[in-house]
Amino acid sequence: AQSVSQHNHHVILSEAASLELGCNYSYGGTVNLFWYVQYPGQHLQLLLKYFSGDPLVKGIKGFEAEFIKSKFSFNLRKPSVQWSDTAEYFCAVNFGGNSGNTPLVFGKGTRLSVIA
Amino acid sequence: GAVVSQHPSRVICKSGTSVKIECRSLDFQATTMFWYRQFPKQSLMLMATSNEGSKATYEQGVEKDKFLINHASLTLSTLTVTSAHPEDSSFYICSARGTSGRANEQFFGPGTRLTVL
Repeated sequence: AQSVSQHNHHVILSEAASLELGCNYSYGGTVNLFWYVQYPGQHLQLLLKYFSGDPLVKGIKGFEAEFIKSKFSFNLRKPSVQWSDTAEYFCAVNFGGNSGNTPLVFGKGTRLSVIA
Repeated sequence: GAVVSQHPSRVICKSGTSVKIECRSLDFQATTMFWYRQFPKQSLMLMATSNEGSKATYEQGVEKDKFLINHASLTLSTLTVTSAHPEDSSFYICSARGTSGRANEQFFGPGTRLTVL
Protein backbone atom coordinates (compact mmCIF):
# COMPACT_ATOMS: atom_id res chain seq x y z
CA ALA A 1 0.00 0.00 0.00
CA GLN A 2 1.12 3.53 -0.66
CA SER A 3 2.15 5.28 2.51
CA VAL A 4 4.08 8.25 3.82
CA SER A 5 6.33 7.96 6.85
CA GLN A 6 7.66 10.75 9.00
CA HIS A 7 10.22 9.35 11.37
CA ASN A 8 10.22 11.96 14.07
CA HIS A 9 7.13 12.55 16.12
CA HIS A 10 8.48 15.47 18.13
CA VAL A 11 11.70 17.38 17.63
CA ILE A 12 13.01 19.92 20.10
CA LEU A 13 15.74 22.31 18.98
CA SER A 14 17.41 25.41 20.27
CA GLU A 15 17.26 28.57 18.23
CA ALA A 16 19.90 28.69 15.47
CA ALA A 17 20.21 24.91 15.37
CA SER A 18 19.92 23.15 12.04
CA LEU A 19 16.84 21.16 11.21
CA GLU A 20 16.26 18.05 9.18
CA LEU A 21 12.91 16.26 9.18
CA GLY A 22 12.67 12.91 7.49
CA CYS A 23 9.99 11.82 5.07
CA ASN A 24 9.86 8.54 3.16
CA TYR A 25 7.21 7.11 0.93
CA SER A 26 6.48 3.68 -0.42
CA TYR A 27 5.84 3.73 -4.16
CA GLY A 28 8.02 3.11 -7.16
CA GLY A 29 6.24 5.30 -9.67
CA THR A 30 5.87 9.00 -10.32
CA VAL A 31 5.17 11.17 -7.31
CA ASN A 32 4.56 14.80 -6.53
CA LEU A 33 5.93 15.76 -3.12
CA PHE A 34 4.93 18.47 -0.67
CA TRP A 35 5.76 19.83 2.73
CA TYR A 36 3.12 21.73 4.67
CA VAL A 37 3.35 23.62 7.93
CA GLN A 38 0.57 24.15 10.44
CA TYR A 39 1.20 26.81 13.06
CA PRO A 40 -0.71 26.47 16.33
CA GLY A 41 -4.36 27.24 15.75
CA GLN A 42 -3.89 27.93 12.07
CA HIS A 43 -4.52 26.13 8.83
CA LEU A 44 -2.13 24.33 6.53
CA GLN A 45 0.33 26.37 4.56
CA LEU A 46 2.43 25.07 1.70
CA LEU A 47 6.17 25.31 2.40
CA LEU A 48 7.47 23.81 -0.82
CA LYS A 49 6.75 21.26 -3.50
CA TYR A 50 8.51 19.03 -5.97
CA PHE A 51 7.09 17.92 -9.29
CA SER A 52 10.15 17.37 -11.49
CA GLY A 53 13.54 18.83 -12.36
CA ASP A 54 16.12 19.91 -9.80
CA PRO A 55 15.71 17.57 -6.82
CA LEU A 56 16.76 20.30 -4.41
CA VAL A 57 13.73 22.49 -3.87
CA LYS A 58 13.71 25.81 -2.08
CA GLY A 59 10.58 26.98 -0.33
CA ILE A 60 9.40 29.84 1.80
CA LYS A 61 10.90 30.96 5.11
CA GLY A 62 14.33 29.51 4.35
CA PHE A 63 13.20 25.89 4.08
CA GLU A 64 14.44 23.48 1.46
CA ALA A 65 13.95 19.82 0.69
CA GLU A 66 15.82 17.26 -1.34
CA PHE A 67 14.18 14.52 -3.34
CA ILE A 68 16.32 11.39 -3.41
CA LYS A 69 14.56 8.98 -5.70
CA SER A 70 16.74 5.99 -4.84
CA LYS A 71 15.89 6.39 -1.18
CA PHE A 72 12.20 7.31 -1.71
CA SER A 73 12.87 10.29 0.51
CA PHE A 74 12.02 13.98 0.61
CA ASN A 75 13.63 15.38 3.73
CA LEU A 76 12.99 18.92 4.87
CA ARG A 77 15.87 21.10 6.01
CA LYS A 78 16.56 24.52 7.41
CA PRO A 79 20.07 25.67 8.35
CA SER A 80 19.05 27.80 11.33
CA VAL A 81 15.67 27.58 13.02
CA GLN A 82 13.88 30.37 14.80
CA TRP A 83 11.39 30.34 17.65
CA SER A 84 8.69 31.24 15.12
CA ASP A 85 9.28 27.92 13.33
CA THR A 86 7.54 26.12 16.18
CA ALA A 87 4.75 24.26 14.39
CA GLU A 88 3.57 20.93 13.04
CA TYR A 89 5.15 19.85 9.76
CA PHE A 90 3.48 17.46 7.37
CA CYS A 91 4.97 15.65 4.43
CA ALA A 92 2.43 14.79 1.72
CA VAL A 93 2.64 12.78 -1.46
CA ASN A 94 0.49 12.65 -4.55
CA PHE A 95 1.03 9.12 -5.77
CA GLY A 96 0.89 8.79 -9.52
CA GLY A 97 1.85 12.40 -10.14
CA ASN A 98 -0.50 14.20 -12.46
CA SER A 99 -3.76 12.47 -11.73
CA GLY A 100 -6.66 14.74 -10.96
CA ASN A 101 -8.54 12.32 -8.77
CA THR A 102 -5.73 11.14 -6.54
CA PRO A 103 -5.62 12.93 -3.22
CA LEU A 104 -2.63 13.89 -1.19
CA VAL A 105 -1.60 11.28 1.33
CA PHE A 106 -0.19 12.80 4.49
CA GLY A 107 2.43 11.59 6.89
CA LYS A 108 1.60 11.65 10.59
CA GLY A 109 3.37 14.93 11.08
CA THR A 110 6.35 16.08 13.10
CA ARG A 111 5.94 18.59 15.87
CA LEU A 112 8.85 21.02 16.04
CA SER A 113 9.44 22.95 19.21
CA VAL A 114 12.12 25.63 19.10
CA ILE A 115 13.35 26.89 22.44
CA ALA A 116 15.33 30.01 23.20
CA GLY B 1 -2.76 32.53 -5.59
CA ALA B 2 -5.58 30.03 -5.33
CA VAL B 3 -7.88 30.58 -2.38
CA VAL B 4 -10.19 28.09 -0.78
CA SER B 5 -12.67 29.19 1.85
CA GLN B 6 -14.69 27.22 4.34
CA HIS B 7 -17.78 28.22 6.21
CA PRO B 8 -18.36 28.18 9.08
CA SER B 9 -14.96 28.27 10.73
CA ARG B 10 -16.40 26.98 13.99
CA VAL B 11 -19.65 25.31 14.85
CA ILE B 12 -21.03 23.96 18.09
CA CYS B 13 -24.14 21.83 17.92
CA LYS B 14 -26.21 19.49 20.02
CA SER B 15 -26.01 15.76 19.61
CA GLY B 16 -28.44 14.50 16.98
CA THR B 17 -28.49 17.63 14.84
CA SER B 18 -27.04 17.96 11.34
CA VAL B 19 -24.31 20.39 10.35
CA LYS B 20 -23.42 21.59 6.88
CA ILE B 21 -19.93 22.80 6.01
CA GLU B 22 -19.28 24.67 2.79
CA CYS B 23 -16.06 24.67 0.83
CA ARG B 24 -15.55 27.18 -1.98
CA SER B 25 -12.76 27.78 -4.45
CA LEU B 26 -12.78 31.53 -4.78
CA ASP B 27 -10.63 32.29 -7.79
CA PHE B 28 -10.38 29.04 -9.69
CA GLN B 29 -12.54 26.15 -10.81
CA ALA B 30 -12.08 22.94 -8.90
CA THR B 31 -12.93 19.74 -10.72
CA THR B 32 -12.04 17.69 -7.70
CA MET B 33 -12.45 18.46 -4.03
CA PHE B 34 -11.25 16.43 -1.08
CA TRP B 35 -12.50 16.30 2.48
CA TYR B 36 -10.12 15.53 5.30
CA ARG B 37 -10.56 15.10 9.01
CA GLN B 38 -7.95 15.98 11.59
CA PHE B 39 -8.14 14.88 15.20
CA PRO B 40 -6.17 16.85 17.80
CA LYS B 41 -2.44 16.45 17.36
CA GLN B 42 -2.90 13.97 14.53
CA SER B 43 -2.48 14.01 10.80
CA LEU B 44 -5.04 14.66 8.12
CA MET B 45 -7.06 11.62 7.18
CA LEU B 46 -8.82 11.59 3.84
CA MET B 47 -12.56 11.06 4.15
CA ALA B 48 -13.74 11.34 0.58
CA THR B 49 -13.03 12.59 -2.91
CA SER B 50 -15.70 14.39 -4.86
CA ASN B 51 -15.89 15.35 -8.50
CA GLU B 52 -18.25 17.97 -9.75
CA GLY B 53 -21.54 16.47 -10.81
CA SER B 54 -20.90 12.94 -9.62
CA LYS B 55 -21.09 10.92 -6.42
CA ALA B 56 -18.29 11.16 -3.94
CA THR B 57 -15.87 8.32 -3.38
CA TYR B 58 -15.50 7.52 0.30
CA GLU B 59 -12.49 6.06 2.02
CA GLN B 60 -12.80 2.78 3.84
CA GLY B 61 -14.43 3.20 7.20
CA VAL B 62 -16.16 6.49 6.39
CA GLU B 63 -19.95 6.23 6.50
CA LYS B 64 -21.37 7.79 3.36
CA ASP B 65 -24.84 8.11 4.89
CA LYS B 66 -23.44 10.01 7.82
CA PHE B 67 -21.10 12.30 5.91
CA LEU B 68 -23.06 13.53 2.92
CA ILE B 69 -20.98 15.24 0.25
CA ASN B 70 -22.36 17.30 -2.57
CA HIS B 71 -20.23 18.87 -5.27
CA ALA B 72 -22.84 20.74 -7.23
CA SER B 73 -20.60 23.20 -9.05
CA LEU B 74 -16.99 23.75 -9.96
CA THR B 75 -16.57 26.14 -7.05
CA LEU B 76 -18.64 24.61 -4.26
CA SER B 77 -18.65 21.39 -2.29
CA THR B 78 -20.58 20.76 0.91
CA LEU B 79 -20.12 18.24 3.68
CA THR B 80 -23.13 17.53 5.86
CA VAL B 81 -22.58 15.67 9.10
CA THR B 82 -25.93 14.07 9.79
CA SER B 83 -27.14 13.23 13.27
CA ALA B 84 -23.87 14.39 14.75
CA HIS B 85 -22.52 12.79 17.92
CA PRO B 86 -19.69 13.84 20.23
CA GLU B 87 -17.28 11.45 18.53
CA ASP B 88 -17.77 13.44 15.31
CA SER B 89 -16.15 16.43 16.96
CA SER B 90 -13.09 17.16 14.89
CA PHE B 91 -11.40 19.59 12.53
CA TYR B 92 -12.72 19.19 8.99
CA ILE B 93 -10.57 20.48 6.16
CA CYS B 94 -11.41 20.64 2.50
CA SER B 95 -9.06 21.03 -0.38
CA ALA B 96 -9.60 21.73 -4.04
CA ARG B 97 -7.65 20.71 -7.08
CA GLY B 98 -7.79 23.04 -10.02
CA THR B 99 -7.98 22.48 -13.71
CA SER B 100 -5.24 22.82 -16.35
CA GLY B 101 -2.22 24.56 -14.88
CA ARG B 102 -3.39 24.06 -11.31
CA ALA B 103 -4.15 20.39 -11.71
CA ASN B 104 -1.00 19.35 -9.86
CA GLU B 105 -1.78 21.04 -6.60
CA GLN B 106 -4.32 20.85 -3.88
CA PHE B 107 -5.23 24.09 -2.19
CA PHE B 108 -6.49 23.83 1.35
CA GLY B 109 -9.23 25.65 3.14
CA PRO B 110 -8.75 27.02 6.67
CA GLY B 111 -10.78 24.22 8.23
CA THR B 112 -13.96 23.99 10.26
CA ARG B 113 -13.85 23.03 13.91
CA LEU B 114 -16.94 21.03 14.83
CA THR B 115 -17.85 20.49 18.46
CA VAL B 116 -20.79 18.26 19.22
CA LEU B 117 -22.15 18.52 22.74
